[in-house]
Amino acid sequence: DADVTQTPRNRITKTGKRIMLECSQTKGHDRMYWYRQDPGLGLRLIYYSFDVKDINKGEISDGYSVSRQAQAKFSLSLESAIPNQTALYFCATSDFETGHRFFGPGTRLTVL
Amino acid sequence: DAKTTQPNSMESNEEEPVHLPCNHSTISGTDYIHWYRQLPSQGPEYVIHGLTSNVNNRMASLAIAEDRKSSTLILHRATLRDAAVYYCILRSWGGQNFVFGPGTRLSVLP
Repeated sequence: DADVTQTPRNRITKTGKRIMLECSQTKGHDRMYWYRQDPGLGLRLIYYSFDVKDINKGEISDGYSVSRQAQAKFSLSLESAIPNQTALYFCATSDFETGHRFFGPGTRLTVL
Repeated sequence: DAKTTQPNSMESNEEEPVHLPCNHSTISGTDYIHWYRQLPSQGPEYVIHGLTSNVNNRMASLAIAEDRKSSTLILHRATLRDAAVYYCILRSWGGQNFVFGPGTRLSVLP
């Protein structure tokens, strides 16, 4: 079984719709992250959370919000989706000591 | 934050060694050098990391220059499954900043 899972894996939606992407992990890590990847580019950090009561903005948080429902669950919301939010979204966890990131399989989001 | 510079793309023949370079001239003394790779249609995965000494694991070797301003990821025998984007990342101990640049796209030719 995968350590970091994301649902849905693919989603097509329309401009203005609210979308939630969900992430669950079984690695027991406190730290979780949401990244966005655009074609030909690296990953950019949207939000991160060090524990259930901690939420921090990354470099591109505008237009996004997150919720850390439990140690194992971290969801990303687009309150009103727009076409330039079309991208591949990755959830990740990290081990505190090494900082190693463990990534989910990604969610491909298309906003029409 | 210290930045890394990598070639956009590289090509290798199957079963030959591959040396993927990374420049990080502004690295600080507490920065670890991490390498990740992203296979097609997957999330990035950890490959190797080091601080000062060269490192080996089952996936690859990491050679770090004596002045630490550059490093090289070495795949000893490239296979078709090694075709991926390889990212070189600097991370200070305990720090959370983990910047994924565009990386190097490695193509492996049969």
